Amino acid sequence: QKEVEQNSGPLSVPEGAIASLNCTYSDRGSQSFFWYRQYSGKSPELIMSIYSNGDKEDGRFTAQLNKASQYVSLLIRDSQPSDSATYLCAVIPWGQGGKLIFGQGTELSVKP
Amino acid sequence: NAGVTQTPKFQVLKTGQSMTLQCAQDMNHNSMYWYRQDPGMGLRLIYYSASEGTTDKGEVPNGYNVSRLNKREFSLRLESAAPSQTSVYFCASSEWGETQYFGPGTRLLVL
Repeated sequence: QKEVEQNSGPLSVPEGAIASLNCTYSDRGSQSFFWYRQYSGKSPELIMSIYSNGDKEDGRFTAQLNKASQYVSLLIRDSQPSDSATYLCAVIPWGQGGKLIFGQGTELSVKP
Repeated sequence: NAGVTQTPKFQVLKTGQSMTLQCAQDMNHNSMYWYRQDPGMGLRLIYYSASEGTTDKGEVPNGYNVSRLNKREFSLRLESAAPSQTSVYFCASSEWGETQYFGPGTRLLVL
C-alpha cells in the first residue's frame, strides 16, 4: 500500500462547479497535511496546509481532514479554467520530521 | 527576494557523464531537499538536509550525492548518469516540518 494515495484522474468538472479532490494516507500518526497545485511544466506551489481535524477555508478552497478515517480532501468552489492543474497531496508521517511524502497527484480539468 | 533558484534549467547528458545541479534559497530556511518527479510517480525525495552540516538519504538516493555547501546552497551530483535518471529535479527549502517552497526545476535528459 502506498503511503499517500490519490486518484490520478483526470477529473473533469464544468466551470462554476465544485471540484472535490481526495487523498488517503497510511500512517495513522501523521500530523501535517498539505495540498500543492502544479501547472504543467511548473513547480508545485502551496495551496493549503491543515493540521487538525475539520475544515479549513481560504477563499474558494476548503481543506478537510479526518484523521480517524485517514483522509484529507480539497474542495474548490466556483471552479475556473485557471484551476486546471495537477493537485498534489503531501503528508508528514509520524516520526519523519520534515520529510514530505507525496501522492501521485490528481489532474483536474475545468471546462468552460 | 528570489525564493528558491536552480541551475541549470535544462541539461542533456550522455550515459556515464557527471554533472552537478545547483540550488540556492534566500529565505533563511534551515532545511533543504532534492526531489525527482517522473510521470505518474509524484515527487520522490532523493536527499535532504535538515540543517546546515547534515545530510540524509531519502526514498531514492542511489546514484546521487549531495553537498550542503552553506545555509543557502544545496547541490545534487550525478557521478555517472544513467538513462533511468532522466527526470525533472526540484529543490525545495523550509523550516523543518513546515511548508516547503520549491524551485523552478531542472529538466534532465540522459541519453
